Amino acid sequence: EIVLTQSPGTLSLSPGERATLSCRASQSVSSSYLAWYQQKPGQAPRLLIYGASSRATGTPDRFSASGSGTDFTLTISRLEPEDFAVYYCQQYGSSQFTFGPGTKVDVK
Amino acid sequence: EVQLVESGGDLVQPGGSLRLSCAASGFTFSGYNMGWVRQAPGKGLEWISYITSSSSTMFYADSVKGRFTISRDNAKNSLYLQMNSLRAEDTAVYYCARWDYGSHCYDSWGQGTLVTVSS
Repeated sequence: EIVLTQSPGTLSLSPGERATLSCRASQSVSSSYLAWYQQKPGQAPRLLIYGASSRATGTPDRFSASGSGTDFTLTISRLEPEDFAVYYCQQYGSSQFTFGPGTKVDVK
Repeated sequence: EVQLVESGGDLVQPGGSLRLSCAASGFTFSGYNMGWVRQAPGKGLEWISYITSSSSTMFYADSVKGRFTISRDNAKNSLYLQMNSLRAEDTAVYYCARWDYGSHCYDSWGQGTLVTVSS
């Protein structure tokens, strides 16, 4: 089973700052099967990024993502108030889907 | 507009059973694979089960294998999760989600239904 590790656990930043979130896999992941989700308190997760770097419909272009193999990154270029949330990476492989533990982006 | 509405969550005793439902609308349900993801209180997301569009293949997380069964009724645009031998650690909000085969991700989610396992 592929294990995903996200860092940092919590990222404390101010609006307007840049956020860089990391997702590392215990073994190589197909980029086609790596996605990022955003979740706000009391809400369901929302798809942000699929295929490691493609923005989902409605995802603002301040969100970008990259990576391959075992290392993936989600970047928010300038944090808006609505971006403070928890972000999860997720992969599919070998009949199993796994989520990372999440990175919480909160207000400094 | 894609809509997924879960129902069936409740308070149940350890060892008990519960059946969750997810009503789908706004898309051709029979053309999509579907899944269940849960979230324990204050915790992260945990994938638990997946079913293909024709019900030909099902996958389960090790944590629920042998206790939970995923199924669907394409005529009723509905997804189900039969949960048996429930444990305290199964307490969570359960989300149904649509798997998009083209983008290889869960692209639409329901609002979730709460299952509490406690005596």
